[in-house]
Amino acid sequence: DAGVIQSPRHEVTEMGQEVTLRCKPISGHDYLFWYRQTMMRGLELLIYFNNNVPIDDSGMPEDRFSAKMPNASFSTLKIQPSEPRDSAVYFCASSFVRELNTEAFFGQGTRLTVV
Amino acid sequence: GDSVTQMEGPVTLSEEAFLTINCTYTATGYPSLFWYVQYPGEGLQLLLKATKADDKGSNKGFEATYRKETTSFHLEKGSVQVSDSAVYFCALSDRINQGGKLIFGQGTELSVKP
Repeated sequence: DAGVIQSPRHEVTEMGQEVTLRCKPISGHDYLFWYRQTMMRGLELLIYFNNNVPIDDSGMPEDRFSAKMPNASFSTLKIQPSEPRDSAVYFCASSFVRELNTEAFFGQGTRLTVV
Repeated sequence: GDSVTQMEGPVTLSEEAFLTINCTYTATGYPSLFWYVQYPGEGLQLLLKATKADDKGSNKGFEATYRKETTSFHLEKGSVQVSDSAVYFCALSDRINQGGKLIFGQGTELSVKP
């Protein structure tokens, strides 16, 4: 398996523009997580899905952020409009919760810079 | 709610030194515990895990024991190498109470000098 695939790896955009980050989880995994990593706040969970249904979006910073999972093999995280403080590395992760084995597998991340 | 606390970094060691990175957790249930490692410019990789009390996870010379009585999962390595330089994250997952959500500590940066 190719692992969790995120695109793009790097994104530079101007303030006010819409940004869409993409994630393809590992086939067969039923959980998908979106995390944001910054120097100031560390690793923050934004939202996670189970079987394509959003379970907890309490970490989404504000209404400018939205996430979807239209099917088991694809998810998007959208920021509209983007702001400089959204600059961070965004990680997608997936897992298959089988009994107590709940490890997650991470993608390489998308480094977003909003100027 | 559930949480994870790690010792603050950065931690700077000489090659072949002994490493300990402290991790304590708060959980209402019986979580699984993990250590993840992040090398520069990369995503997080699972280093080791333990799913119940007194379990010892080990990988690449690293070890951590699930201590329920002290709610701890400290990471240790007897002799670190320059290639171990990375950021280490302690995490927990409580499937019953948290539905599979992974909760991370703030990360500890390790720098190993030759």
